[in-house]
Amino acid sequence: KAGVTQTPRYLIKTRGQQVTLSCSPISGHRSVSWYQQTPGQGLQFLFEYFSETQRNKGNFPGRFSGRQFSNSRSEMNVSTLELGDSALYLCASSSRGASGGAITDTQYFGPGTRLTVL
Amino acid sequence: KQEVTQIPAALSVPEGENLVLNCSFTDSAIYNLQWFRQDPGKGLTSLLLIQSSQREQTSGRLNASLDKSSGRSTLYIAASQPGDSATYLCAVRGNNDMRFGAGTRLTVKP
Repeated sequence: KAGVTQTPRYLIKTRGQQVTLSCSPISGHRSVSWYQQTPGQGLQFLFEYFSETQRNKGNFPGRFSGRQFSNSRSEMNVSTLELGDSALYLCASSSRGASGGAITDTQYFGPGTRLTVL
Repeated sequence: KQEVTQIPAALSVPEGENLVLNCSFTDSAIYNLQWFRQDPGKGLTSLLLIQSSQREQTSGRLNASLDKSSGRSTLYIAASQPGDSATYLCAVRGNNDMRFGAGTRLTVKP
């Protein structure tokens, strides 16, 4: 079974531009989460989508947005890029199985998109 | 607000040693805890997932335990190998998000 794929793998943008990153989850997975990883802040949760609906959102400005399509593929968009947005952006998918109301899923990560803002 | 701490930040051991990595969290209202490894410049690889109702999980040379009441988890690696060198992260799944520790950078010397 193919893993989580992210495109592109590398991006270089300049301040003020916008960028769109793409994530294709493992076949059959309906949940996609996005994370930002930087040396200073570590891994931080951006948002989570399940069945095309945003279920949770981390503490990031409105410049960060995302969506999920009916085939579970997801995109995230960052508008008006700032230098501090340079990071590795990771996507993870899970089946988001539930047992007695608890979230029982294992998250599987893609290789990430390295974004550099100049 | 959930805080996740991993100790030590870095660890260097000779090949063959058994070792323990620690993870602590401040809010015991969690759904599960997951251990990952990350190789430089790469994504995360899931190692073990422990549900909140479980005490431990094992996979090969890895054993992870969870004590939810005290807010602690440990990852035990038996008979370490140079290929185990990586950064190990624990992540706690709550109702609204998943919180990660800063990781333990492990180096296993041949």
